Amino acid sequence: QKEVEQDPGPLSVPEGAIVSLNCTYSNSAFQYFMWYRQYSRKGPELLMYTYSSGNKEDGRFTAQVDKSSKYISLFIRDSQPSDSATYLCAMSVQETSGSRLTFGEGTQLTVNP
Amino acid sequence: DTEVTQTPKHLVMGMTNKKSLKCEQHMGHRAMYWYKQKAKKPPELMFVYSYEKLSINESVPSRFSPECPNSSLLNLHLHALQPEDSALYLCASSPRPRQTSSTDTQYFGPGTRLTVL
Repeated sequence: QKEVEQDPGPLSVPEGAIVSLNCTYSNSAFQYFMWYRQYSRKGPELLMYTYSSGNKEDGRFTAQVDKSSKYISLFIRDSQPSDSATYLCAMSVQETSGSRLTFGEGTQLTVNP
Repeated sequence: DTEVTQTPKHLVMGMTNKKSLKCEQHMGHRAMYWYKQKAKKPPELMFVYSYEKLSINESVPSRFSPECPNSSLLNLHLHALQPEDSALYLCASSPRPRQTSSTDTQYFGPGTRLTVL
């Protein structure tokens, strides 16, 4: 079983829809939770990071962490065609040798005009 | 400024060639990373440098040789690669605070798309 599970999609929604992206994890040692957005043939771009359970909002994006259920979500409000990308959840445990990210498989999102 | 730069953007090389990928950051970060990413897959960690010392090598073949000349630069030397090594190679950096309770978020560069013929 993978440490981090993420539905790869693809997910297709109309412009203006609310998008919900989710990941579950099994390693209770994970301390930090991140969402990256990756456009085709580009590097991953950090969208949000959270440490504790609860919600964190940044513009149209809300990251939610539920450590008791080992479940994280990213909500995108008023989705735009420019949000079309692959979204990767990532989690880490900080070690003395550096932070090691464990990624989900990524969810491919298309927002249709 | 949260920018990590990588050169070249694209690289095509034969199996007998020697080439190098370069990565640079000026955010004062003290950890730098190399990842390999195949199509429709998440990045796979290859190497980690922490305070200019190699701290993680994920059993990468010796045809890949990392180098960290200083805290801002990271190189990946390539020699005798195979066609299956064709991928997007990503560099990342993170602050690497001394206290493990502080956030150590990784920032990625745009990548070098490598094709091995």
